[in-house]
Amino acid sequence: RKEVEQDPGPFNVPEGATVAFNCTYSNSASQSFFWYRQDCRKEPKLLMSVYSSGNEDGRFTAQLNRASQYISLLIRDSKLSDSATYLCVVIPYFGNEKLTFGTGTRLTIIP
Amino acid sequence: NAGVTQTPKFRILKIGQSMTLQCTQDMNHNYMYWYRQDPGMGLKLIYYSVGAGITDKGEVPNGYNVSRSTTEDFPLRLELAAPSQTSVYFCASSLTGASGELFFGEGSRLTVL
Repeated sequence: RKEVEQDPGPFNVPEGATVAFNCTYSNSASQSFFWYRQDCRKEPKLLMSVYSSGNEDGRFTAQLNRASQYISLLIRDSKLSDSATYLCVVIPYFGNEKLTFGTGTRLTIIP
Repeated sequence: NAGVTQTPKFRILKIGQSMTLQCTQDMNHNYMYWYRQDPGMGLKLIYYSVGAGITDKGEVPNGYNVSRSTTEDFPLRLELAAPSQTSVYFCASSLTGASGELFFGEGSRLTVL
C-alpha cells in the first residue's frame, strides 16, 4: 500500500459548485498533514495545514479523520482560478524531515 | 525576494553525460530538499539536508549525488545520465522540517536522450 494515496481525477466541476476530495495515508503514527496546490507546469505551493479539529481558510475546509486515516479538502463556491492539482502531504512521524507527497488530484472548474 | 532559485530551467542531455542542477536559497533555511516529478505523478524525494555538511538519501537517490557546503546552496549532481532521469526537478527549502511549509524553486526540466 502506498504511504499516501489520492484519487488522481480529473474532477470536472461547474463554477460555483462545491467539491471535495480525500487523501488516505498508511502510517497510523503520521503526525502532520498538509494540502499543497500545483498549477500546470508550476511549482507546488502550500495551500493549508490540516489540524486535528479541522480548519477553514475562506472557501477551503480541511479535515482529518484519524480513525479512518484520511484527510479531506472541501472547496465551496468554486472559482475558475481553483483549477489546479491538489497534493496531499504527510509527515510520517514527529521529528521526521521527509515530507511524503501524494500523486495529486486534478481539478478543473468549468465555466 | 528571490526565495529559492534553480538553474538551469531547461536542459537536454545525452545518455552518459553528467551535469549539476544548482539550487540556492536566501531565506537562511536549514532544511533543503530535491524532488523529482514525473508526468502525472507526485513528487519523489531524492536527497535532503538538515543543515550545512549534512545530507541524507530520500526515496529515489540512485544516480544522484548532493553536497551541502553552505546553508544557501544545495546542488544536485547527475552522473551518467539515463533516460529514466528525464523529469522535472524541484529544489525546496524550509525553516524546519516539521513545519510542512516548503518553498519551492520554479523547477528544472531535464530531458535525457
